[in-house]
Amino acid sequence: EDQVTQSPEALRLQEGESSSLNCSYTVSGLRGLFWYRQDPGKGPEFLFTLYSAGEEKEKERLKATLTKKESFLHITAPKPEDSATYLCAVQINTDKLIFGTGTRLQVFP
Amino acid sequence: DGGITQSPKYLFRKEGQNVTLSCEQNLNHDAMYWYRQDPGQGLRLIYYSQIVNDFQKGDIAEGYSVSREKKESFPLTVTSAQKNPTAFYLCASTLMGGEAFFGQGTRLTVV
Repeated sequence: EDQVTQSPEALRLQEGESSSLNCSYTVSGLRGLFWYRQDPGKGPEFLFTLYSAGEEKEKERLKATLTKKESFLHITAPKPEDSATYLCAVQINTDKLIFGTGTRLQVFP
Repeated sequence: DGGITQSPKYLFRKEGQNVTLSCEQNLNHDAMYWYRQDPGQGLRLIYYSQIVNDFQKGDIAEGYSVSREKKESFPLTVTSAQKNPTAFYLCASTLMGGEAFFGQGTRLTVV
């Protein structure tokens, strides 16, 4: 069965304290892996797409990496405005798009 | 501007009533999706469609129905068979292999 698992469920960081979020997946026929940010009461906002193992993408304080079994979202020196839920999604060959349960990140000043 | 429009933003359903949530996109995307999100949870796939007049069940399709008569439109009906419909519903669309674009969601409440 295709499955996407994110950890931890929740993460509290002090401003400037770097950390990583994990997304592990077990799917047949990976087409792409996506990271999204979601603020309360809103639709998810696209961050990154990764297509093959070894690929990395960066944007401001965020960096996403991909292996054959998992992806990491590294947050360097986070700020309070980075507080949100971060969602990982995997698209498989049939166009099915499967989301993980998300990591709720809180960054305190 | 291109994008996805969901309506209404808030919807109230009485017991035993069917309601339809609207999702329209002008991005010329082929695939469209419906997700349900419960408080503090991730997105669970209800239905998805790759082309007009065809759609596939997701993980939690029971109590829901969809249609895809036009490329731009993918309405979701929450039927009376769905016993716990109170949730936040999100519609998305993608080009093949590309990132999903989301609407702003519909919050459905049973009264």
